[in-house]
Amino acid sequence: GESVGLHLPTLSVQEGDNSIINCAYSNSASDYFIWYKQESGKGPQFIIDIRSNMDKRQGQRVTVLLNKTVKHLSLQIAATQPGDSAVYFCAENYGGATNKLIFGTGTLLAVQP
Amino acid sequence: DADVTQTPRNRITKTGKRIMLECSQTKGHDRMYWYRQDPGLGLRLIYYSFDVKDINKGEISDGYSVSRQAQAKFSLSLESAIPNQTALYFCATSRVGGIDTQYFGPGTRLTVL
Repeated sequence: GESVGLHLPTLSVQEGDNSIINCAYSNSASDYFIWYKQESGKGPQFIIDIRSNMDKRQGQRVTVLLNKTVKHLSLQIAATQPGDSAVYFCAENYGGATNKLIFGTGTLLAVQP
Repeated sequence: DADVTQTPRNRITKTGKRIMLECSQTKGHDRMYWYRQDPGLGLRLIYYSFDVKDINKGEISDGYSVSRQAQAKFSLSLESAIPNQTALYFCATSRVGGIDTQYFGPGTRLTVL
């Protein structure tokens, strides 16, 4: 079946270090991917997205890498800060123009001061 | 995201009661979605609507109904609440016209006793 999964449910990093959160997807036809951040008591917040015709996209302190060969997605956060502590979800668009998303279960990023 | 609001934010009810969760958005988006989130599971789609006259079932629509009262309003109803509907409920919106990011509200925490 179609699924999006995360390799690490919890990631603990030191403040100032770089963080890498990984995600595997199973639908080779998915053409759009999104990373969301969810802080405690809040709704998912868009961080960065990437389309399948790209393999890398950079934002402010965040980079998303897409490897279609192995169906792998990663989120890199540079100079991780305490405010980055949250659950991070990847999502893949499997419905084309219908914009239906499949979400991973999430990785908890814990930033140690 | 303040552009997408949900009411109530928290609700405790009893088995068999009818409950309505409301969602409003000021983003001017045509597409609206309802998801539920359970511990250890990703967000799962309940219903979605691409415009006022369009309602579609998601992967877990049983026990739920929706109403799209206007472009900006999309409500979710539980006709007869049961304990396994205890969850976090999120509303989301996106633009029409193909693949686009979904933006989420702050969520409603529903407890069914």
